[in-house]
Amino acid sequence: DSGVTQTPKHLITATGQRVTLRCSPRSGDLSVYWYQQSLDQGLQFLIQYYNGEERAKGNILERFSAQQFPDLHSELNLSSLELGDSALYFCASSAGTSAETQYFGPGTRLLVL
Amino acid sequence: QKEVEQDPGPLSVPEGAIVSLNCTYSNSAFQYFMWYRQYSRKGPELLMYTYSSGNKEDGRFTAQVDKSSKYISLFIRDSQPSDSATYLCATRVEGAGNKLTFGGGTRVLVKP
Repeated sequence: DSGVTQTPKHLITATGQRVTLRCSPRSGDLSVYWYQQSLDQGLQFLIQYYNGEERAKGNILERFSAQQFPDLHSELNLSSLELGDSALYFCASSAGTSAETQYFGPGTRLLVL
Repeated sequence: QKEVEQDPGPLSVPEGAIVSLNCTYSNSAFQYFMWYRQYSRKGPELLMYTYSSGNKEDGRFTAQVDKSSKYISLFIRDSQPSDSATYLCATRVEGAGNKLTFGGGTRVLVKP
């Protein structure tokens, strides 16, 4: 158990809908990262937050947004969902902004029908 | 072309054999190299971390980085059925936050 928690574990929704994925980092970690894992693209970095502020951005679609709250939990919002958004979404956390070890949560499996 | 390439496998070996995994990368700015293990339906778990070129050993695991040829390797000695998983190499650049760039992963099956 990495100490990173993600909810929900599974999510089934329809195209055009909006969902919110939640992540709680390990105790004491200030950075939260979101990754998307799909069969064709592999594991891809989406976005990083550090202590409430956006720190780095990857290939995150405009339909996706994230935020980190004062209690350090983070939410990833996915809107106008498309079939291709079906994937595993992982949250990871680390102590700082450049700490080499990222601890991954168990993921949220999203299925868009 | 992806920045980090990895043979998807599957790689099937008998129990006790040495598992040899590798990745190639294209961005010479990558300085940190990691290997993650991912069991089915689980999150990736960090196995090895290396900075720049060189070797690092931890128990049955040895990681090697050759920056001159942009080649990274992971060796697993005395493989066990519990080593059956997908192994992902990952890299990152100094600075630029802590964005990791992953290879596609190699599925490994260790047969008893």
